[in-house]
Amino acid sequence: GNSVTQMEGPVTLSEEAFLTINCTYTATGYPSLFWYVQYPGEGLQLLLKATKADDKGSNKGFEATYRKETTSFHLEKGSVQVSDSAVYFCALKVKDSGGYQKVTFGIGTKLQVIP
Amino acid sequence: GAGVSQSPSNKVTEKGKDVELRCDPISGHTALYWYRQSLGQGLEFLIYFQGNSAPDKSGLPSDRFSAERTGGSVSTLTIQRTQQEDSAVYLCASSLAMSGQGIRSNTGELFFGEGSRLTVL
Repeated sequence: GNSVTQMEGPVTLSEEAFLTINCTYTATGYPSLFWYVQYPGEGLQLLLKATKADDKGSNKGFEATYRKETTSFHLEKGSVQVSDSAVYFCALKVKDSGGYQKVTFGIGTKLQVIP
Repeated sequence: GAGVSQSPSNKVTEKGKDVELRCDPISGHTALYWYRQSLGQGLEFLIYFQGNSAPDKSGLPSDRFSAERTGGSVSTLTIQRTQQEDSAVYLCASSLAMSGQGIRSNTGELFFGEGSRLTVL
């Protein structure tokens, strides 16, 4: 089956620190990979995505590279801000043999950035 | 509206009562998902509708849970005889269907509603 493993939080960083949130996956088939973000009091929204090996998704200073050889999609940002405080979810989407487009999420990693 | 709409935003009910949660997806989106978000549990898949195909119900936790999608648009998630462990935020998401391959594919990212917070007393 499909699964996504990401580091549990909370992760607490000072402003301008470097961020890495690890994400690894197992999937049958060739998945697309996503990072979603949930800001306090808001719904989940797409942060970035990558559809094939070696693709790099980027948005708002965040980056993640689709690494097929290590089945990973780690999220990074060079300098975090207080406004980045949120819960981050790694996810994969793959079409199975029955045509269903399963979307599997990780447990979510809470990031707290302190001034 | 332009986004996914869910109602009610908050629901408090007594144990044993039935509840219905509604999701109005983005117009034109053929795929609709329900997830449950509990504290410390991440996002738990419940059910998935794709066009006119039979839904994928593999995530429904018990036979007290059911969902339907009428006319390929609005969906209702029903929880019968609610229990305290059903307390959670129920999230609905919609997307276009995945299609194609490689760079011309539509990856069908999910667009989420703001959720329905259910509290069972």
